[in-house]
Amino acid sequence: EILMTQSPATLSVSPGERATLSCRASQDFNNNVAWYRQKPGQAPRLLIYGASTRATGVPARFSGSGSGTEFNLTISSLQSEDFAVYYCQYYNHWPPPFTFGPGTRVDIK
Amino acid sequence: DVQLVESGGGLVQPGGSLRVSCVASGLTFHNSWLTWVRQAPGKGLEWVANIKPDGNEKYYADSVKGRFTVSRDNVKNSLFLQMNGLRPEDTAVYFCSVGPYYSDHWGQGTQVTVSS
Repeated sequence: EILMTQSPATLSVSPGERATLSCRASQDFNNNVAWYRQKPGQAPRLLIYGASTRATGVPARFSGSGSGTEFNLTISSLQSEDFAVYYCQYYNHWPPPFTFGPGTRVDIK
Repeated sequence: DVQLVESGGGLVQPGGSLRVSCVASGLTFHNSWLTWVRQAPGKGLEWVANIKPDGNEKYYADSVKGRFTVSRDNVKNSLFLQMNGLRPEDTAVYFCSVGPYYSDHWGQGTQVTVSS
């Protein structure tokens, strides 16, 4: 069983500041990692797939990086809509299921 | 634009059944893998099931295997999740989404509550 962790659980950031979120697994992800943002009361939105490829329409302030078992999502300058919960998901295997990480909440400092 | 609209959620007693649906537009439905993801109140996301474009392959999370069945109607651009033997821990918002691995389009979800 692959264990996934996200850190920190909560990140307090001021608007305009930079935020870096981490996702780790107990096995190699082989870059098959996606990141989502979920605002309160809304469905998740895909931000990043393949560890570093921005999804269609995602602003350039979002970037993904990492390899192996550790991956990061960086938001270069936090906007009001970015105060939300962020989930990573790995999909380095077939068949499913494709587990989500426990999430990181980004709130206003 | 891709639109996914879920329906069919509601209150059901433990042990009961419910079928939730998702109607899609703005995509080539018959070529798309489709996925159900759920979110319990105040909790994170849980992958539930997915289905191949032709409906001939289906995969389930261990937590729902043997109780839930995913299906689709490619004529009506619709995705379904038949849920039997419901338990209180199945209480969640159920989202339909598009994609075999990660999900690049999501519906707004339908609430399923299992309680006596």
